[in-house]
Parts: sequence; C-alpha cells; structure tokens
Amino acid sequence: DIQMTQSPSTLSASVGDRVTITCRASQSISRWLAWYQQKPGKAPKLLIYEASSLESGVPSRFSGSGSGTELTLTISSLQPDDFAIYYCQQYNTYPYTFGQGTKLEIK
Amino acid sequence: QVQLVQSGAEVKKPGASVKVSCKASGHTFTGYYMHWVRQAPGEGLEWMGWINTNTGGANYAQKFQGRVTMTRDTSIDTAYMELSRLRSDDTAVYYCARDNGYIPYWGQGTLVTVSS
Repeated sequence: DIQMTQSPSTLSASVGDRVTITCRASQSISRWLAWYQQKPGKAPKLLIYEASSLESGVPSRFSGSGSGTELTLTISSLQPDDFAIYYCQQYNTYPYTFGQGTKLEIK
Repeated sequence: QVQLVQSGAEVKKPGASVKVSCKASGHTFTGYYMHWVRQAPGEGLEWMGWINTNTGGANYAQKFQGRVTMTRDTSIDTAYMELSRLRSDDTAVYYCARDNGYIPYWGQGTLVTVSS
C-alpha cells in the first residue's frame, strides 16, 4: 500500500497568513492526488484534484502543486472559514490511501 | 445536483453485522463506482473499498476482506455496505462517496456504534 504522510500534523496560523501543507507518498503517485477539507461533524469537502486542479466553487486562495512523491496544498491568505482539518488522498493505486490529516488552528 | 443520502445511525453488539445504505440521485447511478470510507472518532479517513455499480463487482481493502460486502440495487439507485463480525474498533462514521478517481461527492455519513 502507498503510505501518505502529511506535515505538519498541526499548524497554528493567523487570518491573512499564507500556509503550506505537504503530503509525501511512499512511492510515486504522479499527479493523482486530491486535497480535502473537513469540519467537525461534516463529510470531507473536495478542494483540489489531480494535484493542482481547483474544484468548482472552491476559492482561488487554495492551490496545489507538485508531483511524484511530494505534493503541497497552499492557502494564500487564511480566512476564518479555513480553520479545519485537511487530508490528502492518493488515487494512483488501490487501495486508495489518505494522509493522517493536518489540523489548521487559529494562533 | 448529485446527492448521496445514507441510512441512519446504528448501535450494534460485538459480533453482529450492520448494513448501511446510500441512495444516490442527480446522476446516472450505474455510471460511477461508489466508494466506502470510514472515520473512527477523532481519527482520519480510511478507504474500505468500492463497488462497480454497473456490474456489481467490488474491490475491498485487504484489511476488510472477508468481513465486508458491498452490493447495489440499480432499480432504486442504492448502494449498500455490510460489515460483519463487528468489534468495538469498528465504531466509526461510514461514508459512501461517488468516484471520479478523486471523490467529489460524499454522503452525510452514518454513525455505527459497536458496544456491548
């Protein structure tokens, strides 16, 4: 199975900050990576697919980059609504696997 | 719009089975695989497998092989996930999720509590 490791596990930041979350895969996944945002009691919400494609309706402050084994999610200017948990997911190979999550909290 | 509506919360005893349903609307049901993903309390997301809603074929994560069965009823656009021989560590929210490779659509989740 492909292991997905996110860093950091927790990120403290302020409104207006630029933040980056990294997802490292145990083997190459090309660009077959998605990013999700999850808030308490809710299902995950798709933000980014194919490493850098923005899902319809997602604000442009979210962006993704990278390929192979290191991919990143960047939020250019944090808004109050962005404090949540973020997960990456590879869909290059079954079984699909998720990162362990990054909790983005208010500093 | 695409909607996935799941059945309600369940409480089961260890050793029992649970069957969760997921009714799809807003898209051609047999045109997309359906995934099942679970999330234990305070934990991350865990992929369980998918069902080919057209053929009924399924692919399960090895961890769940022998305990999970995914089925569908195309006459009512509904997918099912049955998990048997439940243990306390199966307590989780179970999500159905429509495939695009990535997952753009998720059900609201079904809490399954396993407790004696």
